[in-house]
Amino acid sequence: SQTIHQWPATLVQPVGSPLSLECTVEGTSNPNLYWYRQAAGRGLQLLFYSVGIGQISSEVPQNLSASRPQDRQFILSSKKLLLSDSGFYLCAWSVPQGSSYEQYFGPGTRLTVT
Amino acid sequence: AQSVTQLDSHVSVSEGTPVLLRCNYSSSYSPSLFWYVQHPNKGLQLLLKYTSAATLVKGINGFEAEFKKSETSFHLTKPSAHMSDAAEYFCVVIEYNFNKFYFGSGTKLNVKP
Repeated sequence: SQTIHQWPATLVQPVGSPLSLECTVEGTSNPNLYWYRQAAGRGLQLLFYSVGIGQISSEVPQNLSASRPQDRQFILSSKKLLLSDSGFYLCAWSVPQGSSYEQYFGPGTRLTVT
Repeated sequence: AQSVTQLDSHVSVSEGTPVLLRCNYSSSYSPSLFWYVQHPNKGLQLLLKYTSAATLVKGINGFEAEFKKSETSFHLTKPSAHMSDAAEYFCVVIEYNFNKFYFGSGTKLNVKP
């Protein structure tokens, strides 16, 4: 069966510090991968998605970046965090096979920028 | 372009009474639609999905949704609310090339004892 992991689960970082969040998927090949952010009282904002290794599409211009160094690994990074980067970050995967296009979500990372 | 509108940001029901969470979509193509549930500080869990098969879709935990093309709606219902249903619910439409998912703003369901 497929599983998706995110770490760390929680993170407290000062403004201006770097960020690296990691997401890995097991049990599937060539998944589409997604990063979302959920700020307090808001819905989900799609940040990045990837359809293959090294292929990243950015949805929102900001100080965040994403990379996909391996087929089932998706990394969210920042060189200098802003207060507005605080939120709940969710990684998700999907595999478009037949009629099954649903996304499966990881447990999330709670980021607090102080 | 695809978009989703969840008509209520908060819904409050008593335990044992019916639940109705409303969702309207806009899509240039035959859409695929989903409902997800999120409990506090957790990831999202798929409740059910519509992908051009039966218009009445049954999901987990007694939830179901009906796709109505004429009304561009995909409302989520449950006959009898349980305390464990208290969570936030998201309606989602998928873009035609299947790489992007558009989420509604969410509806928080409160269940009173």
